[in-house]
Amino acid sequence: GAGVSQSPRYKVAKRGQDVALRCDPISGHVSLFWYQQALGQGPEFLTYFQNEAQLDKSGLPSDRFFAERPEGSVSTLKIQRTQQEDSAVYLCASSLQGMGQGDTGELFFGEGSRLTVL
Amino acid sequence: GDSVTQMEGPVTLSEEAFLTINCTYTATGYPSLFWYVQYPGEGLQLLLKATKADDKGSNKGFEATYRKETTSFHLEKGSVQVSDSAVYFCVNAGNNRKLIWGLGTSLAVNP
Repeated sequence: GAGVSQSPRYKVAKRGQDVALRCDPISGHVSLFWYQQALGQGPEFLTYFQNEAQLDKSGLPSDRFFAERPEGSVSTLKIQRTQQEDSAVYLCASSLQGMGQGDTGELFFGEGSRLTVL
Repeated sequence: GDSVTQMEGPVTLSEEAFLTINCTYTATGYPSLFWYVQYPGEGLQLLLKATKADDKGSNKGFEATYRKETTSFHLEKGSVQVSDSAVYFCVNAGNNRKLIWGLGTSLAVNP
């Protein structure tokens, strides 16, 4: 597609529910990132994929968070047993090249999925 | 470790005023530096970048110079417009995978 697409744009979940957030990156982009942005804060890194390989998941806050990109394009971020502290905007970004291959860090972001846990 | 500190907002200016948003960084090497912008209701987008010391990034009338001696990357614009109202983020690409983001500075420009 023309840009990075995320869905749903808004999600309200009851505490304890599982949620799945989808990211459709720009076609052909090798790198895909997930970030979490709390209100009034900058984005915080969650995880990074290069094609289908999850090369870095050090930012995932707990084992309730899981991300996948099985075919190297669309990615899903799953949060199990949601808690109120999970409320945030979840941002997906993609980049043409793999990191460490001369990329200077220009990322293309989706509009984000705003999760509210009640 | 690597970090970014940018001035807190909100910043409110009148149209055609001069804008400066301060940003300083710490890094073990010489990372690329960026300013990203988030307009209301839109996703983050790259505004400008500088990849080495003394580089000047520029776009849409905005400029920022990568200053190694002061470890700064301040964002400036000589004459702001209402359409510049947005949140601006200074970013340190010390580790490309993770990027290190400032907290963001909200700018409101009044006509």
